[in-house]
Amino acid sequence: EAQVTQNPRYLITVTGKKLTVTCSQNMNHEYMSWYRQDPGLGLRQIYYSMNVEVTDKGDVPEGYKVSRKEKRNFPLILESPSPNQTSLYFCASSLSAVAHTEAFFGQGTRLTVV
Amino acid sequence: GNSVTQMEGPVTLSEEAFLTINCTYTATGYPSLFWYVQYPGEGLQLLLKATKADDKGSNKGFEATYRKETTSFHLEKGSVQVSDSAVYFCALRGSGGSNYKLTFGKGTLLTVNP
Repeated sequence: EAQVTQNPRYLITVTGKKLTVTCSQNMNHEYMSWYRQDPGLGLRQIYYSMNVEVTDKGDVPEGYKVSRKEKRNFPLILESPSPNQTSLYFCASSLSAVAHTEAFFGQGTRLTVV
Repeated sequence: GNSVTQMEGPVTLSEEAFLTINCTYTATGYPSLFWYVQYPGEGLQLLLKATKADDKGSNKGFEATYRKETTSFHLEKGSVQVSDSAVYFCALRGSGGSNYKLTFGKGTLLTVNP
């Protein structure tokens, strides 16, 4: 089954403790991205990757890192999480960055930083 | 930059009522337009899309027409069901340059009562 898989689904952590949210897709998609969803703000892009070893900042990259060592995986790293990073996070992938291509989303990771 | 404005929710309807969720956009060039739906506790999934002016996207009884002259992509359904209760996001993806990302509206929560 074609899917984007994120782990974990739920995470509660303390300020400053490094964490990684994993994202994996099985569709051989080139383009992957991370979004955060906050009430009243909709979805905002954090980082994106056009292909292996090619990543770039989205609209709200501060406090986040990503890597794309393999085509299928695109982990999101929070080196020193802070409470303002409490949010619902989604990983998405699409075949390419061409305008008409559909994005597939993971189930989401609800992160709470205390 | 690109932007999407959709009607604020929440929207509450009775079963079999007519639904309209307004969406307008600002973009350069020829973007593709999408409606995504997020059911409770799940990730976003594509509902329908349109890739050029006057295209009509349709799926599961929902429709939306790409109107370039009014820069709009309103979502409609003739008779909603309880199972349509979800958050609906209008989105666009640009057609060139560095506009690779999906730009989302803030989402509209729809609740359908029996």
